[in-house]
Amino acid sequence: GAVVSQHPSWVICKSGTSVKIECRSLDFQATTMFWYRQFPKQSLMLMATSNEGSKATYEQGVEKDKFLINHASLTLSTLTVTSAHPEDSSFYICSARDGTGAGNREQYFGPGTRLTVT
Amino acid sequence: SQQGEEDPQALSIQEGENATMNCSYKTSINNLQWYRQNSGRGLVHLILIRSNEREKHSGRLRVTLDTSKKSSSLLITASRAADTASYFCATVLSGGYNKLIFGAGTRLAVHP
Repeated sequence: GAVVSQHPSWVICKSGTSVKIECRSLDFQATTMFWYRQFPKQSLMLMATSNEGSKATYEQGVEKDKFLINHASLTLSTLTVTSAHPEDSSFYICSARDGTGAGNREQYFGPGTRLTVT
Repeated sequence: SQQGEEDPQALSIQEGENATMNCSYKTSINNLQWYRQNSGRGLVHLILIRSNEREKHSGRLRVTLDTSKKSSSLLITASRAADTASYFCATVLSGGYNKLIFGAGTRLAVHP
């Protein structure tokens, strides 16, 4: 099956610094990738949708200048949390949709990245 | 934004019992999917049901969809301790990039 990886799996950073999280589709080309945030014991909240070669589309309430998304290739999207604050501590999950085929295409999820801002 | 509500929020049962989780949503959908998440881990796709389908089976899983009531249910039969996890429904809205919008989730605990 399709595999999506995330790196790092966990990261601790100091308040005010920036952190980059990578999301890679390992065995398929992902024209669209999605970034979610999940707080403890809560559901996944969609943050943004990124398409290869174009600007990301952010959900309402998500600061695009704080959460920078780059989808530079068909297999890689990155999320950079800029000037991180403790309230940004969360579990960040990406998903990727196979760009081939048609119909109701499944999204494949990465294992998540746990960010802790101290 | 979240599309749906799930109930119950938490469910505790004994091994061998059946577990039923419900999901309601608000807008028209292309399909509805159920996912499982073990604590602190990524999501595992369980089953997808299209808007023109009413019921689908996969192993011990049975999913129903009632588009007139905008609701779905996930039934896990003969539950096992290993089924302990959070279960989320997610809807794919019509149009756009087919974004997945997740429900609040049900935390299932299966006791040996």
